[in-house]
Amino acid sequence: GAGVSQSPSNKVTEKGKDVELRCDPISGHTALYWYRQRLGQGLEFLIYFQGNSAPDKSGLPSDRFSAERTGESVSTLTIQRTQQEDSAVYLCASSFRRDQYFGPGTRLLVL
Amino acid sequence: RKEVEQDPGPFNVPEGATVAFNCTYSNSASQSFFWYRQDCRKEPKLLMSVYSSGNEDGRFTAQLNRASQYISLLIRDSKLSDSATYLCAVNRASNAGNMLTFGGGTRLMVKP
Repeated sequence: GAGVSQSPSNKVTEKGKDVELRCDPISGHTALYWYRQRLGQGLEFLIYFQGNSAPDKSGLPSDRFSAERTGESVSTLTIQRTQQEDSAVYLCASSFRRDQYFGPGTRLLVL
Repeated sequence: RKEVEQDPGPFNVPEGATVAFNCTYSNSASQSFFWYRQDCRKEPKLLMSVYSSGNEDGRFTAQLNRASQYISLLIRDSKLSDSATYLCAVNRASNAGNMLTFGGGTRLMVKP
């Protein structure tokens, strides 16, 4: 079946611009997670959605980062006024119970 | 101290060798543990969950040591295709969900 999909796969932007990243979870998965992975490093949790509950935003690094999810479907992660340190791979994962399945990620480069 | 720690490696082993990685975690209340495999420039893929009694999947064996707060992954008869970064993940027990904290990964290189 279809896995988690993300778009765009690559994004190059200029410092100060806003970017929007999209995640389509696996159908039926109630939980959705966003992570960030800098080059050569582990995954850093950003935000978690579970059904219609309020999201857990405890991992967002600054107020420039926000995310939305409509019901149990698509999620968008928005980064406003991008900085060079935002350059990373942004990974989305979804789960029904314990196991999380990742999308291919969006590679963001801020010049 | 980091919540989840791994030796970054690289572990360079010949084909056919047995190799083991450990991953330590700091939150004694953590309940779910996982090993993921990540190939270069790819997303992490779930390799196996780690159960209290230990579990085996072919050449791969995962174990949990709650007393010492670590999980391990053993790979027997290493193949060239096992070359990858292995990430351990632990649930964040302070929440009701299943948010995971990942280690930085251990890089494995299997040589002919």
